[in-house]
Amino acid sequence: GENVEQHPSTLSVQEGDSAVIKCTYSDSASNYFPWYKQELGKRPQLIIDIRSNVGEKKDQRIAVTLNKTAKHFSLHITETQPEDSAVYFCAASIRGGGADGLTFGKGTHLIIQP
Amino acid sequence: NAGVTQTPKFQVLKTGQSMTLQCAQDMNHEYMSWYRQDPGMGLRLIHYSVGAGITDQGEVPNGYNVSRSTTEDFPLRLLSAAPSQTSVYFCASSYSLSVGEKLFFGSGTQLSVL
Repeated sequence: GENVEQHPSTLSVQEGDSAVIKCTYSDSASNYFPWYKQELGKRPQLIIDIRSNVGEKKDQRIAVTLNKTAKHFSLHITETQPEDSAVYFCAASIRGGGADGLTFGKGTHLIIQP
Repeated sequence: NAGVTQTPKFQVLKTGQSMTLQCAQDMNHEYMSWYRQDPGMGLRLIHYSVGAGITDQGEVPNGYNVSRSTTEDFPLRLLSAAPSQTSVYFCASSYSLSVGEKLFFGSGTQLSVL
């Protein structure tokens, strides 16, 4: 089955700086890569996603890049703010959509230092 | 719409007891699934369903049963609870099986097995 590795496990950045979280996946058949944000005690919330036919996608301060050849994708957050502090999860789907569920990385705890 | 509703929010069981975690969605979603979240492990898929009467196993199905008699409901049963099943459980659903279909999560059930 699919395996998703996520790094780093903890990331501390100064407010206003950029943060980058990286993930690799094992199955070249994966074609959908969402990112979720989870605040303490809350449910995961989708923040951005990318499909395998797209190399980059941006939504205001958040962007995701995908390198299919290397089988890795990254989340970029610019101009970080205190409300960006949370745990971020990457995920991959082998057959697309919800047909087989999502395989998640183990998460990155992002800490924004004031 | 209430979205994805999970009950109970908290539960404490003794080893060997059985219980059912409830999940209901009112969005006419075709796909429903159960994940468990353990510290440092991300979210792992337990079981999923692509429609009423159809269920399949995910990454960690042992010790859990599911059924999908209606489109709206997808209960998760623990037949004989074990301490290893202490976790936070999330139900999730999506409208269809199309690539990139957004996955909606419930608010979670925190389960402790003593």
